[in-house]
Order: sequence, then C-alpha cells, then structure tokens
Amino acid sequence: EAQVTQNPRYLITVTGKKLTVTCSQNMNHEYMSWYRQDPGLGLRQIYYSMNVEVTDKGDVPEGYKVSRKEKRNFPLILESPSPNQTSLYFCASSLLGGQGAYEQYFGPGTRLTVT
Amino acid sequence: GQNIDQPTEMTATEGAIVQINCTYQTSGFNGLFWYQQHAGEAPTFLSYNVLDGLEEKGRFSSFLSRSKGYSYLLLKELQMKDSASYLCASLETGANNLFFGTGTRLTVIP
Repeated sequence: EAQVTQNPRYLITVTGKKLTVTCSQNMNHEYMSWYRQDPGLGLRQIYYSMNVEVTDKGDVPEGYKVSRKEKRNFPLILESPSPNQTSLYFCASSLLGGQGAYEQYFGPGTRLTVT
Repeated sequence: GQNIDQPTEMTATEGAIVQINCTYQTSGFNGLFWYQQHAGEAPTFLSYNVLDGLEEKGRFSSFLSRSKGYSYLLLKELQMKDSASYLCASLETGANNLFFGTGTRLTVIP
C-alpha cells in the first residue's frame, strides 16, 4: 500500500531534550516536506527536500533541522525543543518533475507536546 | 508575499449544495489545490486547478479564475461525512511548495 508513515504519532517531552520525528514514504517520491499545524494558523511549511541531499527552508524553519540521506526518509530533528514547538506535525511527499504539479500525500501526523 | 483568505466556518444542510470561496495573492502562481481534512487526520487531496474554469469530479467541483485570484470548491448533495475542514493551497512555481490558507470548517447538519 502506497503510504507516508510517521513515528511517533504522539510524543510528550520536556524542554531541551533532543528528539527526532521520522518520516518514510514507499512511493519513490522525489519531493518531501514537513509542516506544522496550529489552530488559527493553518499548515505552515518547515523544511522541504527536492531530492537526496537537497533540502531547503520553508516558512518557519527556526528550531528545526532535517536531513535527506535516502530518498524514502526525511526525519525532522528538534535539537532543543521549546514549548512553542508544541504542535501537530505532518510529513508529505510527492512526485516532482517538469512543469507538472503533483498532489502531496500526507502522513498521519505527529502530535508533539513540549512542557 | 503570499496570502490566502477563506471563511473560517460554514454550516450547511444535508443534501444541499455549499460553495467554499478562496482568494489568493501569491508570487509565482502555478495552480491551486483543495484538500479535505477531517478532525485529527491528515489532509487528503480533492482537486487541482491551473487553468481558468471548472473541474468536476463527482459531487465535488473546483473553479479557478487566475485574473481575479479566486477559487471556489462546490460540494453537492452534502452528506454528514462531508463535515471537515477544507484547505485551499496555492502552488508556487519552481518547487512543489504549497502555501495553505487557514482552512474552512464545514459542518453538515441533518
């Protein structure tokens, strides 16, 4: 089954304790992206990647890191989480090529609480 | 800069038709997506418009006017399961980056 998976689905942690949220897709998609979703603010892009070893900042990258060492995986790293990073996080992937636009497939989401 | 406006909430009756509007101001516009998101779940793709006009897909249709920076999503024969948030998102040229509006929460009542 074609899908985007994220782990963990729920996480409660404390300020300053490094954490990684994993994202994996099995559709051989070039493009992957991380979003956070907060009430009243909608989905905002954190980082995106257009292929292996190619990553770039989205609209709200501060406090986050990413890596893309393999095509299927795109982990989101919070080196020193703070309470303002409490949010619902989504990973997404899509094809990328030419002039075409391709729908993004979203993972199930990770609800993160930082106390 | 980028800006997308859509109503925050709407209510409609089962079996009726509802239109959700979206206006956008973006640089490097390359089309407009609509996604559906049920509470606590991931967004799922509904439609994509890049040319002016109406795209119909079953009970859902989407319209785009590039000159007016305007789109709408039309839902016909509303069902209770259509209660969800509907996200309008513009696609920027170059990458596949989407800029999302804050979403319209639709409640379908009997």
